[in-house]
Amino acid sequence: SQQGEEDPQALSIQEGENATMNCSYKTSINNLQWYRQNSGRGLVHLILIRSNEREKHSGRLRVTLDTSKKSSSLLITASRAADTASYFCANSGGSNYKLTFGKGTLLTVNP
Amino acid sequence: GAGVSQTPSNKVTEKGKYVELRCDPISGHTALYWYRQSLGQGPEFLIYFQGTGAADDSGLPNDRFFAVRPEGSVSTLKIQRTERGDSAVYLCASSLYYGGPGDTQYFGPGTRLTVL
Repeated sequence: SQQGEEDPQALSIQEGENATMNCSYKTSINNLQWYRQNSGRGLVHLILIRSNEREKHSGRLRVTLDTSKKSSSLLITASRAADTASYFCANSGGSNYKLTFGKGTLLTVNP
Repeated sequence: GAGVSQTPSNKVTEKGKYVELRCDPISGHTALYWYRQSLGQGPEFLIYFQGTGAADDSGLPNDRFFAVRPEGSVSTLKIQRTERGDSAVYLCASSLYYGGPGDTQYFGPGTRLTVL
C-alpha cells in the first residue's frame, strides 16, 4: 500500500501563477524526492531533499520539508503551460532505496 | 547512454502468455529498480538489484514475476502466465550508488503492458 499522499489531487492555474503542492508521509525518512510525470510515462526527477534539510531551491522550484509534521511542499513559481503534468513525492523510508510514492497531484497550467 | 532505456515501449499480450521487459540503466549505475504503476496511482516498488543480485524482491506480487540482472547492467523482468490484472506501466530506474540517503533514482520511459 502507498504511504504517501499528495494534496491537492488536482490543481488548475493560469500561466504565471504559482503552484503549491503538498505531500504527507507516515514513516521516518532519509530523504524525500519530487518527480514529474507527463502522460503517464517516465518520471523526471526534480529535486531531492534530505531529512536534515528544511528547504531547497532549484530554478523555479522550492521544496520544504517538515519532519516533525511528516510533510513536504513543492512550490513552482511563475508557472508555464509546459509545467502541466502529474507531480509525485516519494520517500525512501528507512530503506535508503525503496521509494514509496503517493497518488500524485495533476497540475494543469492554462495559457 | 544518456538515460535509462526500456524496451518495448508497448506490449500487448494475451492472458496466459509469457512476457519479458528489458531495462538498460545509465552507464556506470550500480543499483537498478523495477516499479509498477497502475492507472491513476503512483509507482509501486517491485525489486531492487545491487550489482547482479536481487537485494530486495519483496514487492514482487507473486511467483509469476521474476527479474534478473546477470552481468550487473541490463535487467529483464519476466512475467509468466500473464493475467489481466498485470496490465500496467512497468518502470525501471537506476542510481549511481547502492541507495544512500542522497542517491537519486533516474527513471526510464516505461513499458506499457496490456494483457487482453
